[in-house]
Amino acid sequence: QVQLQESGPGLVKPSETLSLTCTVSGDSMHGYYWSWIRQPPGKGLEWVGYIFYNGRTNYNPSLKSRATITLDTSKNQFSLRLSSVSAADTAVYFCAREENLISEVYFDPWGPGTLVSVSS
Amino acid sequence: DIQMTQSPSSLSASVGDRVTIACRASQTINNYLNWYQQKPGKAPNLVIYAASSLQTGVPSRFSGSGSGTDFTLTISSLQPEDFATYYCQQSFSTPYSFGQGTKLEI
Repeated sequence: QVQLQESGPGLVKPSETLSLTCTVSGDSMHGYYWSWIRQPPGKGLEWVGYIFYNGRTNYNPSLKSRATITLDTSKNQFSLRLSSVSAADTAVYFCAREENLISEVYFDPWGPGTLVSVSS
Repeated sequence: DIQMTQSPSSLSASVGDRVTIACRASQTINNYLNWYQQKPGKAPNLVIYAASSLQTGVPSRFSGSGSGTDFTLTISSLQPEDFATYYCQQSFSTPYSFGQGTKLEI
């Protein structure tokens, strides 16, 4: 059974870069899309972007090119870097596997999430 | 970008009630619509995918319907563990987007 776990600093200063890693256990990363999704405290969910196992990426334009997702299949990990952060980037960040079949595209499973606060 | 709108934003109900949550997409998304349940402090959990397919392990009291732009999630007989926030999500095109959530309360 595949499991995901986010890790990284819980506090980042404004204008600096947020860096998170998601470690995948219980299955290979081959053939799947791997996404980051965030949720500001008390608010809804926002898709950040994904990376395919071959390295192809796709990001939410709302992040204005600040996001970069990379993959390390040798470690079964993928990572998110978000540059020039502000208080608006304070959120719980989730990693998730995207199941992508003909007519069926959904996020399952998810990691438990990690809270990142942006503050000086 | 596709906007997803859920109604209602919150819903008060009792154990045993039948409840329906609606989700509307700003343009047609065929059946690329998923529903997630989220409890406080936890990650969302997939309930329904492809508009009407029940995720493995989810009780059969949950059902989904719809196609095109209008979708519904129905819980036939509420149980105490069903009180949570529910989100719809379109996977028709990127950027993927979620509804604002429906908080189901006692």
